[in-house]
Amino acid sequence: SQQGEEDPQALSIQEGENATMNCSYKTSINNLQWYRQNSGRGLVHLILIRSNEREKHSGRLRVTLDTSKKSSSLLITASRAADTASYFCATDTGRRALTFGSGTRLQVQP
Amino acid sequence: DAEITQSPRHKITETGRQVTLACHQTWNHNNMFWYRQDLGHGLRLIHYSYGVQDTNKGEVSDGYSVSRSNTEDLPLTLESAASSQTSVYFCASSGTSGDPTGELFFGEGSRLTVL
Repeated sequence: SQQGEEDPQALSIQEGENATMNCSYKTSINNLQWYRQNSGRGLVHLILIRSNEREKHSGRLRVTLDTSKKSSSLLITASRAADTASYFCATDTGRRALTFGSGTRLQVQP
Repeated sequence: DAEITQSPRHKITETGRQVTLACHQTWNHNNMFWYRQDLGHGLRLIHYSYGVQDTNKGEVSDGYSVSRSNTEDLPLTLESAASSQTSVYFCASSGTSGDPTGELFFGEGSRLTVL
């Protein structure tokens, strides 16, 4: 079973709306990362949040981490059509390599 | 600019054949990884390496092997391709600082079809 599970599996919103994606995980982590994947391309790192951090911002991205609930959320504000992609969370559980979830497919309608 | 490249980008092969997917990075990263991506499974770790002559098995390593003879390359070999190995394969690398679980840099992927 996956260490990280994203929710929802798919999300469709209008341009200008906010998009929120959630990630739940099972075991304790050192850090959690979010990646973006455009169709047919490789993954691109968005943001890393460490286990002792609760919130982090990068441009229009806001990531929160709740270690007591073993969950994280990625908020994209004022979404654009160019934000259409799949988004993955990845966890560092101290096992020497990142473990990825199955992703959320985001569709932003212009 | 530094980059990570995979080849071939697309390959069709037959069951039982040996296949090698190449991965070359110019970041001078010590850490390199191979993942496979399948619908419904996200990315699953196949093999990884923390430096020259170091290789480690991931969660789905059966039927795959890697070797690390220099810093830049980590080729992935399918010894005897099976239809279950039809997938998209991603190579990634990270860090010069010894932190293997920092930001990963991914290649564009190699789509393999085994008939």
